[in-house]
Amino acid sequence: AQSVTQLDSQVPVFEEAPVELRCNYSSSVSVYLFWYVQYPNQGLQLLLKYLSGSTLVKGINGFEAEFNKSQTSFHLRKPSVHISDTAEYFCAVSEDSDSGYSTLTFGKGTMLLVSP
Amino acid sequence: NAGVTQTPKFQVLKTGQSMTLQCAQDMNHEYMSWYRQDPGMGLRLIHYSVGAGITDQGEVPNGYNVSRSTTEDFPLRLLSAAPSQTSVYFCASSLGIIQGPGETQYFGPGTRLLVL
Repeated sequence: AQSVTQLDSQVPVFEEAPVELRCNYSSSVSVYLFWYVQYPNQGLQLLLKYLSGSTLVKGINGFEAEFNKSQTSFHLRKPSVHISDTAEYFCAVSEDSDSGYSTLTFGKGTMLLVSP
Repeated sequence: NAGVTQTPKFQVLKTGQSMTLQCAQDMNHEYMSWYRQDPGMGLRLIHYSVGAGITDQGEVPNGYNVSRSTTEDFPLRLLSAAPSQTSVYFCASSLGIIQGPGETQYFGPGTRLLVL
């Protein structure tokens, strides 16, 4: 069964500083990896996803993530954060499946707190 | 194109009451899911559907029922509300055909439920 671990529940950072949000996954088959963002009192929206190919994935709002199969990680990075990046970030995984569908498993989330 | 819509936005119930959370999408998506979000727990899958007439249980299905009579609608029923069902509920949908497990899920704005 698939699982996701987000190692940090909260990451405080100053504006314009770089940030890395960590995500590790566990799965016995090929996986698809996602980062979703949730702004206060809103639903989730997709930041980026890894399906196959290049291990460096670029997403919206200047975020990027790198898939590392040997370390089973998919860490999210941004070189310079803004106040508006304050939100909760969720890593998620789904597995390859003969049926063509697999449920999405989420990590517990990391709250990114950007201060001036 | 309204995307995924959920009603109501807020609801207060007394223990033992029943209610239905509504979810609709206008993107002709095959796959629809219900999640609950609790502090420190991330999102947990309650039920999902891979098409009209087909539903299956997720990680936390107890106390909830679903049905999928049309492609557009996927209501979630609480049969006898309990305080443990106090949560934020999100509905999501995905196309599900082209990329299968790699498809992006689109989330509704959520329903905040308080059970007294």
